[in-house]
Amino acid sequence: DVKVTQSSRYLVKRTGEKVFLECVQDMDHENMFWYRQDPGLGLRLIYFSYDVKMKEKGDIPEGYSVSREKKERFSLILESASTNQTSMYLCASGRQAEAFFGQGTRLTVV
Amino acid sequence: AQSVAQPEDQVNVAEGNPLTVKCTYSVSGNPYLFWYVQYPNRGLQFLLKYITGDNLVKGSYGFEAEFNKSQTSFHLKKPSALVSDSALYFCAVRDTYNTDKLIFGTGTRLQVFP
Repeated sequence: DVKVTQSSRYLVKRTGEKVFLECVQDMDHENMFWYRQDPGLGLRLIYFSYDVKMKEKGDIPEGYSVSREKKERFSLILESASTNQTSMYLCASGRQAEAFFGQGTRLTVV
Repeated sequence: AQSVAQPEDQVNVAEGNPLTVKCTYSVSGNPYLFWYVQYPNRGLQFLLKYITGDNLVKGSYGFEAEFNKSQTSFHLKKPSALVSDSALYFCAVRDTYNTDKLIFGTGTRLQVFP
């Protein structure tokens, strides 16, 4: 079974904090993705990576950065958290568009 | 522009009745189409996909989807709904210009009543 593991299910952070969301996959996939999910907006792609140390901006990269130092791990960083970044964050890995998702991290910024 | 539309925010159906969740798409070339399901406070789970071949695709949990090229649709169906099918369903299409990416619809909440 493919496993994509996100380090936290729920997080509460203060405005201005630097926030790290971690994601690990065990299927040796080249591609990894970070999405945010908001009601009525579906899934929006923040960043994706197709190889170690490679990254590409998705549709809504502002306020976020990513790190991929190892193939299995893809981190999403909120440099200075703001209340409008309160959302569900989903990590995925895959190849040729077939994606496998983690459980999600519900982040609340207060 | 490439896009996926799920015209219904919510679909309500009685247990035992057939269900349909609608999806239409707009991409150039031949589409690769997917359905995912999300249970409360969970990530998305893969249900089924269409790449080529038979227009009727069978997937997990008794779901199937019908690809209709002329109507650019890929509706999700099940002959007999279960209360446990209640969840959020997402349709997605592979990005033609970056084939490692998916474009998602906004999701349809399915509510199955006993």
